[in-house]
Amino acid sequence: EVQLVQSGAEVKKPGESLKMSCKASGYSFTSYWIGWVRQMPGKGLEWMGIIYPGDSDTRYRPSFQGQVTISADKSISTAYLQWSSLKASDTAMYYCARRASWGTGYHFDYWGQGALVTVSS
Amino acid sequence: DIQMTQSPSSLSASVGGRVTITCRASQNINNYLHWYQQRPGKAPKLLIYGASSLQSGVPSRFSGSGSGTDFTLTISSLQPEDFATYYCQQSYSTPETFGGGTKVEIK
Repeated sequence: EVQLVQSGAEVKKPGESLKMSCKASGYSFTSYWIGWVRQMPGKGLEWMGIIYPGDSDTRYRPSFQGQVTISADKSISTAYLQWSSLKASDTAMYYCARRASWGTGYHFDYWGQGALVTVSS
Repeated sequence: DIQMTQSPSSLSASVGGRVTITCRASQNINNYLHWYQQRPGKAPKLLIYGASSLQSGVPSRFSGSGSGTDFTLTISSLQPEDFATYYCQQSYSTPETFGGGTKVEIK
């Protein structure tokens, strides 16, 4: 059974750092892209970026480039989303999701349970 | 970025009723269009991929159609568990983008 299990909720202060995790199981971790999706309170879904754990190829939405770092450790089948200096505007739910291929396209077929990040002084 | 516009942003419908949600892309995306359901407090769930392919385990009352720039998600007979928010997503080009969502509420 494919599972993506995310780390727990976090409460942080502005300027603090954070690294959240997404542990995958039930499939070959290095054969599928993993994506990160943000959902701000009461709002819709935003595609942040993706990583291919097989070779660490990473793509970012331009508005997130330089603001977050996406990485993966294939030895433990875990993807990460990292901030070096959080802002209040980073307060949101964050989801990881497996990006499955279909023909020449991709979609997110399995999702983590989500991790809430609250940034407040 | 490709803009995805969903309509309506919300709707009220009765159990057993038929619901249609539309999604329009700002440029041709062929059939690189997917639909997700998000129940309150839950992660999104894939319903339809490639515009019209039903994800395994999803009830057949859900269907998708369209190609190019205009797409439709139809729920043929609304069930209580279908009251949720629905999002379309394009994967024709990165950054991939989602529509703003359509909230389906009980009438």
